[in-house]
Amino acid sequence: AQKITQTQPGMFVQEKEAVTLDCTYDTSDPSYGLFWYKQPSSGEMIFLIYQGSYDQQNATEGRYSLNFQKARKSANLVISASQLGDSAMYFCAMRGLNAGGTSYGKLTFGQGTILTVHP
Amino acid sequence: DTAVSQTPKYLVTQMGNDKSIKCEQNLGHDTMYWYKQDSKKFLKIMFSYNNKELIINETVPNRFSPKSPDKAHLNLHINSLELGDSAVYFCASSQHKGTQYFGPGTRLLVL
Repeated sequence: AQKITQTQPGMFVQEKEAVTLDCTYDTSDPSYGLFWYKQPSSGEMIFLIYQGSYDQQNATEGRYSLNFQKARKSANLVISASQLGDSAMYFCAMRGLNAGGTSYGKLTFGQGTILTVHP
Repeated sequence: DTAVSQTPKYLVTQMGNDKSIKCEQNLGHDTMYWYKQDSKKFLKIMFSYNNKELIINETVPNRFSPKSPDKAHLNLHINSLELGDSAVYFCASSQHKGTQYFGPGTRLLVL
């Protein structure tokens, strides 16, 4: 079974500063993908960034980067130069990539972290 | 040009009623999903269809029945609605095991 843990219920950051949102995971799948989604107060789920377990480099997408440490089973999201519009709930998620595995196909989500950006 | 759309966006209904939520994606994806987000914002998979075939069926009450008429559509029918069914239901789609893209969600309130 898969498990995602986000230990920070809420985080605060000053505008233009960087912030790290923590995510640790547990899985028995040999191959898996890690995702971060953003859910603003309007409610939609917005895909931010993806990291494959066998990717050699950490993923980056604009101001978002994923600090992937496989041995520590962590996949922290780093947001650089925070903006007021970054205030939202952030979810870490994972899915197995091996067909036939119990976690294949479905995303398992963490509890989420509410990020508040102060001006 | 909405990628994943859901209707209705809001649904308020009485206990015991039957209701349906519709989902459509225009991304050309072959796999679609239903997720439920509870009042504590926890998201959990309910169902998944690949090329109209059910591939994931989590421990969801039989009152919930998904239906996929074609690859672009996945509907969710709920019979005999209960108070505990109140939640936000998200549809999502992906191309095989790729990134899942979510619809805007349907906020269901059962009175």
